[in-house]
Amino acid sequence: GAGVSQSPRYKVAKRGQDVALRCDPISGHVSLFWYQQALGQGPEFLTYFQNEAQLDKSGLPSDRFFAERPEGSVSTLKIQRTQQEDSAVYLCASSLMWDTEAFFGQGTRLTVV
Amino acid sequence: GENVEQHPSTLSVQEGDSAVIKCTYSDSASNYFPWYKQELGKGPQLIIDIRSNVGEKKDQRIAVTLNKTAKHFSLHITETQPEDSAVYFCASSSGNMLTFGGGTRLMVKP
Repeated sequence: GAGVSQSPRYKVAKRGQDVALRCDPISGHVSLFWYQQALGQGPEFLTYFQNEAQLDKSGLPSDRFFAERPEGSVSTLKIQRTQQEDSAVYLCASSLMWDTEAFFGQGTRLTVV
Repeated sequence: GENVEQHPSTLSVQEGDSAVIKCTYSDSASNYFPWYKQELGKGPQLIIDIRSNVGEKKDQRIAVTLNKTAKHFSLHITETQPEDSAVYFCASSSGNMLTFGGGTRLMVKP
């Protein structure tokens, strides 16, 4: 009965470095979402997968951000050439279907120095 | 796109009092309105949700009301306890993604 698991919990990256953030959704959940949460603000949508298909990536802030879910389970959010404004908590959520309750992971706190 | 406004940004109440948080949304197509509680260092946790075909839903000390005409919905917490202290987020959805409000920091003083 594990929930959504994200790793690493914390990541410090030097500006210009590439990072990869991992999300293990709840087993059997079809839908997977990535959100970005800046300090003191609500989460903001980045991208959405239904199984392995990325159906919406309208929230990705630039082409430095890339997400994949090749086998319809684990997902990776990759940020290339990180910049200070990328510092935030990155949250992953999964749901059984597209319109059912979304369960969030604990997030990965990314700090770019 | 959808815009969700949440008020107040901070709320301090005495233990045992009630707390009310209000949100407005802009997209008339929105039909799902969840509320999340987020504690420090943790991800958001769903506490209650409501769909557009009902006007009110209650779960023990927590209730949510929805006014589709006015496009606003509210969270009511009665008999607050110190462990209710956290940041609360409202959200809306018309399909897949959630659009969140800015959050309310609730402090319950013993």
